[in-house]
Parts: sequence; structure tokens; C-alpha cells
Amino acid sequence: NAGVTQTPKFQVLKTGQSMTLQCAQDMNHEYMSWYRQDPGMGLRLIHYSVGAGITDQGEVPNGYNVSRSTTEDFPLRLLSAAPSQTSVYFCASSYSKGSLMNTEAFFGQGTRLTVV
Amino acid sequence: DAKTTQPNSMESNEEEPVHLPCNHSTISGTDYIHWYRQLPSQGPEYVIHGLTSNVNNRMASLAIAEDRKSSTLILHRATLRDAAVYYCILRDAPYGNKLVFGAGAILRVKS
Repeated sequence: NAGVTQTPKFQVLKTGQSMTLQCAQDMNHEYMSWYRQDPGMGLRLIHYSVGAGITDQGEVPNGYNVSRSTTEDFPLRLLSAAPSQTSVYFCASSYSKGSLMNTEAFFGQGTRLTVV
Repeated sequence: DAKTTQPNSMESNEEEPVHLPCNHSTISGTDYIHWYRQLPSQGPEYVIHGLTSNVNNRMASLAIAEDRKSSTLILHRATLRDAAVYYCILRDAPYGNKLVFGAGAILRVKS
């Protein structure tokens, strides 16, 4: 099993450019989420999805879009990149039976994004 | 979201036990206590979780106070590979949709 795979691992964007961060999991998990981590800080939730066709906002959703057309994939789109979006982005997935209280999350290795 | 409090950092010697404390005085009766760790330049990694009873797995043990207002993650024999940031997180009822990460506690392991 590959687990949670994120691509690319590194990316440099110019201000105003758009791009999509890819996230795929092969564990048939219903729940997927995106976090960002700024230097010296914990992770903050951007968006999450409890299943194909269902997404919701997390703590810091502004400037990001998501969609969930398949169980396996949960791409994160930056609409118009800004220097404030320079961060490390992590995708995670979990098995869910309606509740995530008693489950573990699997994280990808991260995408390090720099916006200049 | 219920909050947790951890020390900023801790230090341990290699091959000695490590006890990482976490306070969560506002925990509700159905919140699960989860621990994750993050090694340098890696994504977070699940360690252990529990509700009321103490829990053991191959990585660690979780000791939960009787009133559930605090818990302790126990690494039985620290290795250099255990040097990481450790996060104590509450999964809020009813769905636990969000893992709310705080700043975590940096564990340094000395050889």
C-alpha cells in the first residue's frame, strides 16, 4: 500500500498564479482533509471531506478550493497564490463509519510551497 | 473545541522512559484523547489514542487520569528516532471531524 501520496513535493509559484496540489489515497478511506503548517506552528485545517461529493470548510479556508469527485482523490486548488500561502501542506485520510472519534489519521509527506 | 496544554519541550536520555504530560481540563465525557508525533520534515504520524482506560500499543502507552482531565504518553525506552514534536489532541464529539493541533511538545533525546 502506498498510503497517502502528495504531489508535488516542492513548488515555487509567483504571486497570482494558480495551481493544484494533488492528494491520493489507496486505503478506501471516506474522510480526507488538508492542513497547512507554518514555521514553528501546529497544523491548521483548511478543508475536509467526509465522502465523495461532500466537502466542508475548516479553520483557514480562504484562498483555497477543494472538490471530491472520487473516494481516492482530494485535490487542493490555490486560486491566486499569495505570499501568505507559503507553507507546508499536508493531506490526511481516515477510515470513517460516520464518526472519526475512534480512528487514526494517515498523513502524506507534505508539499512545500513557496510563493514569491 | 476542547483545548490541551503541553510543555513546550522535554529532554530525555536514550534508552530511558519518557513521560509526556498533557492537560485537558475542559474535556467532555465523549472526547477521545489522541497523540500524534511529527519527525523533522515529515508528516504527522499516529501514536495512540484512548477514551477512559489506559492503552498500550507497540509504540507507546497512554495513561489517562481517572477524572480524564489529564493524560500521559509513555515511551518505554526512548531512541534517537523518537525525537519529534508530540501533539496531544482531543477528538471532539460527536463526529471528531477535526484534528485540532496545538503547538505540541518538542522531545529531544540525548545519546
